[in-house]
Amino acid sequence: QITLKESGPTLVKPTQTLSLTCTFSGFSVSTSGVGVGWIRQPPGKALEWLALIYWDDDKRYSPSLKSRLTITKDTSKNQVVLTMTNMDPLDTATYYCARTTEMAATRPFDYWGHGTLVTVSS
Amino acid sequence: QSVLTQPPSASGTPGQRVTISCSGSSSNIGSNAVNWYQQLPGTAPKLLIYSNNQRPSGVPDRFSGSKSGTSASLAISGLQSEDEADYYCAAWDDNLNGVVFGGGTKLTVL
Repeated sequence: QITLKESGPTLVKPTQTLSLTCTFSGFSVSTSGVGVGWIRQPPGKALEWLALIYWDDDKRYSPSLKSRLTITKDTSKNQVVLTMTNMDPLDTATYYCARTTEMAATRPFDYWGHGTLVTVSS
Repeated sequence: QSVLTQPPSASGTPGQRVTISCSGSSSNIGSNAVNWYQQLPGTAPKLLIYSNNQRPSGVPDRFSGSKSGTSASLAISGLQSEDEADYYCAAWDDNLNGVVFGGGTKLTVL
């Protein structure tokens, strides 16, 4: 059974750094073809992809947020961490982590966590 | 503004067939597969269609996907009340070197 769970602060102040942890089970991020990504969704708005890390430590970032994001993995702990600097109220959103794996020449997000709502406010 | 363009809303009555479009460009849909996600109210997204027209295990065959050129479509036949949800298309973008999502389509079952 594959599960993912996001954890981290629910409230951060503007200019602070956000650190979110995705703890997963049922798969390993060291398995060829596997990756973990972060996607966010502001209240009432669309999904926005943020970052991806693959089994071989290849990392990809949303160009519009690249300067603020860092994604890392700890294979022994089955965790992926996303760090976002200089938080702004516009970053208020539900943050999801999701697994990606190769399926028929594409890499969809096939398993998702429940998400964690992060509010940015002073 | 999302890279992939979807109509903001769609509707149908029970039993009807509805389609949701997703328009992109040569750098995303034109050269990569399209995936579709269903987000029921208050829940996380769920993979509905991958690689343009493949259904993960457990997804009813009422859901189907297609792609032509730089556009893709999701079709839902035999519409049911539990299909009321937000639907998102997504694809890899070679120029942005990352995943792009559509703006989402809210499906209402009348």
